Amino acid sequence: GAVVSQHPSWVICKSGTSVKIECRSLDFQATTMFWYRQFPKQSLMLMATSNEGSKATYEQGVEKDKFLINHASLTLSTLTVTSAHPEDSSFYICSARQGGVYNSPLHFGNGTRLTVT
Amino acid sequence: DQQVKQNSPSLSVQEGRISILNCDYTNSMFDYFLWYKKYPAEGPTFLISISSIKDKNEDGRFTVFLNKSAKHLSLHIVPSQPGDSAVYFCAASEGANSKLTFGKGITLSVRP
Repeated sequence: GAVVSQHPSWVICKSGTSVKIECRSLDFQATTMFWYRQFPKQSLMLMATSNEGSKATYEQGVEKDKFLINHASLTLSTLTVTSAHPEDSSFYICSARQGGVYNSPLHFGNGTRLTVT
Repeated sequence: DQQVKQNSPSLSVQEGRISILNCDYTNSMFDYFLWYKKYPAEGPTFLISISSIKDKNEDGRFTVFLNKSAKHLSLHIVPSQPGDSAVYFCAASEGANSKLTFGKGITLSVRP
């Protein structure tokens, strides 16, 4: 089945630094990837839609200059949390849909636990 | 505004019995619905989906029922197994290739 790999699985960084999270579709091409964020005991909240070769589409309330998304190829999207602060500590999950497959569901990576100290 | 609602935060059932997980939605434009299972510190795993042209979809022990008039769907797991213990998310979208909106999830515990 479709596999989405996310790296790193966890990261601890100091306040003010930047962190990059990678999301790869391992056995399929994904023209669109989605980045979600989950706080403890909360739902998965969509942050942005990552489109290969074009600018990402951000959800309302998500700062595009803080959460930089790059989707340079059909199998890789990256999310960079710039100038991270403790309130950015969260669980970030990427997902992708297999192109060309009717009603293909979103497949998720295993997430990245970000802790900003 | 929560467009997908899972009003019960948790459910506990005996092994072998049926688990019924409920989900309600408010956006009448939603026409594609999915259930995901999630373990702590992992990404959600797709379980089953249903299009609005159907009212039932079955896959092994998992069956999803959709009641469009009531804007309600449910996931039935029968028989429930201890390995089913996890958080279950209901999700919906406008079209099968659109972004998903998730509910808050429900924690299912299956007692041996």
